Amino acid sequence: EAGVVQSPRYKIIEKKQPVAFWCNPISGHNTLYWYLQNLGQGPELLIRYENEEAVDDSQLPKDRFSAERLKGVDSTLKIQPAELGDSAVYLCASSPRGLSYNEQFFGPGTRLTVL
Amino acid sequence: SQQGEEDPQALSIQEGENATMNCSYKTSINNLQWYRQNSGRGLVHLILIRSNEREKHSGRLRVTLDTSKKSSSLLITASRAADTASYFCATVGALDKLVFGAGTILRVKS
Repeated sequence: EAGVVQSPRYKIIEKKQPVAFWCNPISGHNTLYWYLQNLGQGPELLIRYENEEAVDDSQLPKDRFSAERLKGVDSTLKIQPAELGDSAVYLCASSPRGLSYNEQFFGPGTRLTVL
Repeated sequence: SQQGEEDPQALSIQEGENATMNCSYKTSINNLQWYRQNSGRGLVHLILIRSNEREKHSGRLRVTLDTSKKSSSLLITASRAADTASYFCATVGALDKLVFGAGTILRVKS
C-alpha cells in the first residue's frame, strides 16, 4: 500500500515569495491533516479536512496561509508571502476515519527554507 | 502549543540496554499515542493507549499510562541501533485533535 506522498521534499525560497506544497493521502483515507514542525519541536496541527471540508482550521494563520482539498483527495497548502519564520517542515497526514482518535499516517514532509 | 512534555530531552544508551522515556500532559485525554521519527522513515505511529487502559505491549515496546498523574512512559527493551530516533507522545482530548510533545531524542550506540 502506498503511503502519504508529499512534494516537493525540499524548497528554498526568498522571503515574500509564494510557495505551495502538495499532498496525496493514502487511498480511501477521508481525513487529511497539515502539520507544521519547527526544529526540535513536535508537529502542530494547521488544518484538518474531512473529505473536502475544512473542519478545523483554527491554527492556520489565514492572513498568509491557505489550503484546499478539491474533490476530497489531494490537498495543497500555500503560503503567500513567505516570511523568515515560516522555515520549518510541513507534514501531511491522513487517517481512515473522521476522528483523530485513530492512528495517523504521515508523509515524509516538505522542508521549507526561507532566506 | 504543546500539550505533552517528554523527559528526558535526550538519551544515549548502548545497544541491548533498555530505554525509558516519560511524557507528562496537562488536560484530560481520550487516548495517548507514541510516534517515532527518523530521517529514513519520517513520523511513524508506534502504539496507542486509551484512557481506561493502564499498560499496553507491542513487541519490544511497553507503554504505561497513569491518568491520575497525567503521565505516560514508553519502555523499549533490548534496544538496537535502528531504534535511534526522536520519540514523541501525542494526546487526544476533548478538542479531538492530536497534540504532540517536544520529543525525546534517543541514540543507541552499537
